[in-house]
Amino acid sequence: EIVLTQSPGTLSLSPGDRATLSCRASQSVRSNYLAWYQQKPGQAPRLLIYDASSRATGIPDRFSGSGSGTDFTLTISRLEPEDFAVYYCQQYGSSPLFGGGTKVEIK
Amino acid sequence: EVQLVDSGGGLVQPGGSLRLSCSASGFNFRVYAMHWVRQAPGKGLEYVSGISSHGGSTFYADSVKGRFTISRDNSKNTLYLQMSSLRAEDTALYYCVKDRVSWLGYYMDVWGKGTAVIVSS
Repeated sequence: EIVLTQSPGTLSLSPGDRATLSCRASQSVRSNYLAWYQQKPGQAPRLLIYDASSRATGIPDRFSGSGSGTDFTLTISRLEPEDFAVYYCQQYGSSPLFGGGTKVEIK
Repeated sequence: EVQLVDSGGGLVQPGGSLRLSCSASGFNFRVYAMHWVRQAPGKGLEYVSGISSHGGSTFYADSVKGRFTISRDNSKNTLYLQMSSLRAEDTALYYCVKDRVSWLGYYMDVWGKGTAVIVSS
């Protein structure tokens, strides 16, 4: 079974900074079937990225996904105040599975 | 507007049963696979179960296999999760989630607000 490891656990940054979040899989993710979700306190998760690099409808272009095989990255080019949240990766190439999450907090 | 309204959560004793429902609107429910994902208090997301658009294929996480049953009624635009032999570790907010396609194995694009299940004596 694939294991997804997200790093770092917490990222402390300031508005305007660039955020780089990592998601590493223990085995290659089939067809790069990897998604990223954003979750704010008290809210349901929201889809940001699917198929490793495709932005979901309505997602600002400051969010981008990259990677393939076992290493994937979510990049937020310039953090806006509303971007401080927890981010989860999820693979759907085999049994669906989420990573443990990365919290992006205000420094 | 695409909307998923989860309901049926509550307080239940260990060993008890509960049925969650998810009412869908704003899209053609019968052509999309659906899922349940849960989140224990202060923890991350855990995939629970999924069902294909016509109900012919289902999938369960090992942690709930044999205790939970997912089903759907396409005539009522409703997804269900029958939970039995509940344990304290099943305590969580349960989200109903829509898939992007009809079969299991693609990404999830719309989430309900969740319904809380508390297993405690």
